[in-house]
Amino acid sequence: KAGVTQTPRYLIKTRGQQVTLSCSPISGHRSVSWYQQTPGQGLQFLFEYFSETQRNKGNFPGRFSGRQFSNSRSEMNVSTLELGDSALYLCASSLGGLAGGNQETQYFGPGTRLLVL
Amino acid sequence: LAKTTQPISMDSYEGQEVNITCSHNNIATNDYITWYQQFPSQGPRFIIQGYKTKVTNEVASLFIPADRKSSTLSLPRVSLSDTAVYYCLAKETGANNLFFGTGTRLTVIP
Repeated sequence: KAGVTQTPRYLIKTRGQQVTLSCSPISGHRSVSWYQQTPGQGLQFLFEYFSETQRNKGNFPGRFSGRQFSNSRSEMNVSTLELGDSALYLCASSLGGLAGGNQETQYFGPGTRLLVL
Repeated sequence: LAKTTQPISMDSYEGQEVNITCSHNNIATNDYITWYQQFPSQGPRFIIQGYKTKVTNEVASLFIPADRKSSTLSLPRVSLSDTAVYYCLAKETGANNLFFGTGTRLTVIP
């Protein structure tokens, strides 16, 4: 079974631009979560989508948004990029996701490394 | 706001047992605590998950006290390939936000 795939793997943008990152979950997984990883802030939770609905959300500004399609693939969008948005963006998929107490095992992709100049 | 903290780094010799503790206040009372391992240039990988007391699988044990304000990952007889960064993950009580710990960089020495 193929793992979680993320595209593109590397991206360079300039301040003020917007960017869309894509994540394809493991086949059969309905939950996709997104995380930002930086040297200074570590791993931070952005949001989780399950069956096309955002179910959990971290403390990020509205410039960070996402969506999930009927085939469970997910996209994350960052508008009006800032230098501080430079980071590794990771997505993770799981069968049932992060609802309630049942924090199911998440399988992470390799990430998209975004550099904002 | 929930906060999860871990020691920044730890060194251990091969074959020793390593215990990494994560302190987490204000976590959801009905949610699991999960630990992940991350190698350079890779996404985190699941190690173990628990709710309370002790959980053991083929690679690690997890100890969670009754107050659930901390959790300890135990790696028995570490090898060089266990050199990685280890993160705990918990959910904030009353919210839908998850928090990774600050990460512990474990270096296994021959």
